[in-house]
Amino acid sequence: DSGVTQTPKHLITATGQRVTLRCSPRSGDLSVYWYQQSLDQGLQFLIQYYNGEERAKGNILERFSAQQFPDLHSELNLSSLELGDSALYFCASSVAGAGTQNIQYFGAGTRLSVL
Amino acid sequence: TQLLEQSPQFLSIQEGENLTVYCNSSSVFSSLQWYRQEPGEGPVLLVTVVTGGEVKKLKRLTFQFGDARKDSSLHITAAQPGDTGLYLCAGGDSSYKLIFGSGTRLLVRP
Repeated sequence: DSGVTQTPKHLITATGQRVTLRCSPRSGDLSVYWYQQSLDQGLQFLIQYYNGEERAKGNILERFSAQQFPDLHSELNLSSLELGDSALYFCASSVAGAGTQNIQYFGAGTRLSVL
Repeated sequence: TQLLEQSPQFLSIQEGENLTVYCNSSSVFSSLQWYRQEPGEGPVLLVTVVTGGEVKKLKRLTFQFGDARKDSSLHITAAQPGDTGLYLCAGGDSSYKLIFGSGTRLLVRP
């Protein structure tokens, strides 16, 4: 158990809908990262928050947004869903926001299926 | 754009055989991490290497970081069915994100 909790584990929805994925980081970790894992693309970095502030953006679509709350949990919002958004979405957390040995611990992921 | 290429993409071997997985890039990384991911789970960190030429051993797994910090390898000795999974390398720099390779899917047959 990594200590990172993601809910829900599975999500099935229809095109055009909006969903929210939730992540609780490890106790004491200030940074939260979101990744998308598709069958043919490996893990793609989406966005990072550090202590409530957006720290970095990766390949995140404009239809997607995230935030980190004062209690440090984070939510990833996906809207106007398309079939191609079907993927595993992982949250990871780390103590620091950056650094050479910034070890990230991953949750078990949310499997999103858009029908 | 920083990219990490892993090879091979798929590997199916018999229990007891040895294997090596490679992770290559044209970019220099400050650190290189190896993860293993099993179905339905998130990636689990196996090791982090930070010094060029560094070698780390974890039981039957040996990890090496290239001298120029652009490549890494994972060698498994006497593979066992429990080693089956998706192996991912990830490069880190002094900033925030990890650049992941596309992974090597390993199947060890009993």
